[in-house]
Amino acid sequence: SAVISQKPSRDICQRGTSLTIQCQVDSQVTMMFWYRQQPGQSLTLIATANQGSEATYESGFVIDKFPISRPNLTFSTLTVSNMSPEDSSIYLCSVTARTSGSTYFGPGTRLTVT
Amino acid sequence: GQQLNQSPQSMFIQEGEDVSMNCTSSSIFNTWLWYKQDPGEGPVLLIALYKAGELTSNGRLTAQFGITRKDSFLNISASIPSDVGIYFCAGHGAGGTSYGKLTFGQGTILTVHP
Repeated sequence: SAVISQKPSRDICQRGTSLTIQCQVDSQVTMMFWYRQQPGQSLTLIATANQGSEATYESGFVIDKFPISRPNLTFSTLTVSNMSPEDSSIYLCSVTARTSGSTYFGPGTRLTVT
Repeated sequence: GQQLNQSPQSMFIQEGEDVSMNCTSSSIFNTWLWYKQDPGEGPVLLIALYKAGELTSNGRLTAQFGITRKDSFLNISASIPSDVGIYFCAGHGAGGTSYGKLTFGQGTILTVHP
C-alpha cells in the first residue's frame, strides 16, 4: 500500500479566497485522483490528476474552480478557487496501484468556508 | 452515470453480533472495494475484490464479488466496539478510461453497543 500525506489537514477560509491543498505519496504512482466529501455525504470524484498534462475533470467540476497540478509522479495539488460556504467539505487525494487496482486515500483536508 | 445503492444506511448492534451490508450497481464493475472511515480520517481500504464470485477474508471481515458483477456484500463477524464507523463500498467500471475512478455507495453507519 502507499503512504499518502496531505497539507493542510484542515483550514478555515474566508469567502472569495482560494486554498491550495498538497498531496504527497511515498512512492511513484501512475494514477492520482482528487475526491470531495461534503458534510455527511459519500465521496465524489472531482478529477484525475495527470502527470505533466491537464487534469481530467468529472461532470460538474471545472478547471477554473478546481485547478490541479501534478508536476511529477509523487506530488499533486488541488486549488479550491473563489470559495463559497458550499465548498466546505473534506477534500481527499487518492492513488490507485496499476498492478492491483486497489485505491488508497490520504487523510483528507477539512475545509470550512465562512 | 453509474450508481451504487448501499444498504442498510445505519445499523445499531450489540457487541459480539455479526453484521452484513451490501451494495448493488446499475452497471457492471470490474473491481469492488470496501472501506472504513473513522471521524476526521480518510477511508481505509479493508478488502479489494477483482473477480466475479471471489470471496475474500481479512480477519473478521469477509466480502464477496457477486457473480453478475453488479453487487457485493461485506460481513463482519463477532463485532467489537472499534468496528464503529462508516463503511463504504466502491467500485470502478469496465473500460480503460474508468480505471481507478471510483463510484461510492452512500455508506453504512455502524454503531456497536458494548
